[in-house]
Amino acid sequence: DTGVSQDPRHKITKRGQNVTFRCDPISEHNRLYWYRQTLGQGPEFLTYFQNEAQLEKSRLLSDRFSAERPKGSFSTLEIQRTEQGDSAMYLCASSPGLIFYEQYFGPGTRLTVT
Amino acid sequence: SQQGEEDPQALSIQEGENATMNCSYKTSINNLQWYRQNSGRGLVHLILIRSNEREKHSGRLRVTLDTSKKSSSLLITASRAADTASYFCATDAFGNQFYFGTGTSLTVIP
Repeated sequence: DTGVSQDPRHKITKRGQNVTFRCDPISEHNRLYWYRQTLGQGPEFLTYFQNEAQLEKSRLLSDRFSAERPKGSFSTLEIQRTEQGDSAMYLCASSPGLIFYEQYFGPGTRLTVT
Repeated sequence: SQQGEEDPQALSIQEGENATMNCSYKTSINNLQWYRQNSGRGLVHLILIRSNEREKHSGRLRVTLDTSKKSSSLLITASRAADTASYFCATDAFGNQFYFGTGTSLTVIP
């Protein structure tokens, strides 16, 4: 059990550019979540995968955001045409998908849009 | 939008004292969880309490849940400097979305 990993840890990009983040969950976990966290706030749910199926997506999630989990293992989160308001910490979490379950979080990717 | 709301927003105590933080939520839940986040790091799960449970213990942690008041409390006994962190409650409203509160920032002074 090596834990949830995220790459990169930090990303600085210019407004209008596209960025992609990667999350590698704990290997036997079939649920994967993406959250966004801004300073002084709690994590905000973005989307959720059960294996390779994206089952839920926040209504707050702009069409510029897309996530994939092609083989039910790692996941990517892409933000197109980044805006300054996208600057935040993007957190990935995985869980074994039992009825009552805890989430294991990665260290996050900090995005700064200039 | 976030369903949970922690109170107080910030708490500062001396090492050895107990720390109590509260969480209120808006809708019926399946379970409630507490997480800790050290500065600039990911969240660490502390404890989960199911909607049909009223109290749960884990080491120095004690969690209570009052579903009639839609509230929970987290008590950390005999606090240590290493407990300095932000604490969040998260609720699962019978769906697959987890809603986190705004957090309580705890500072334990050595």
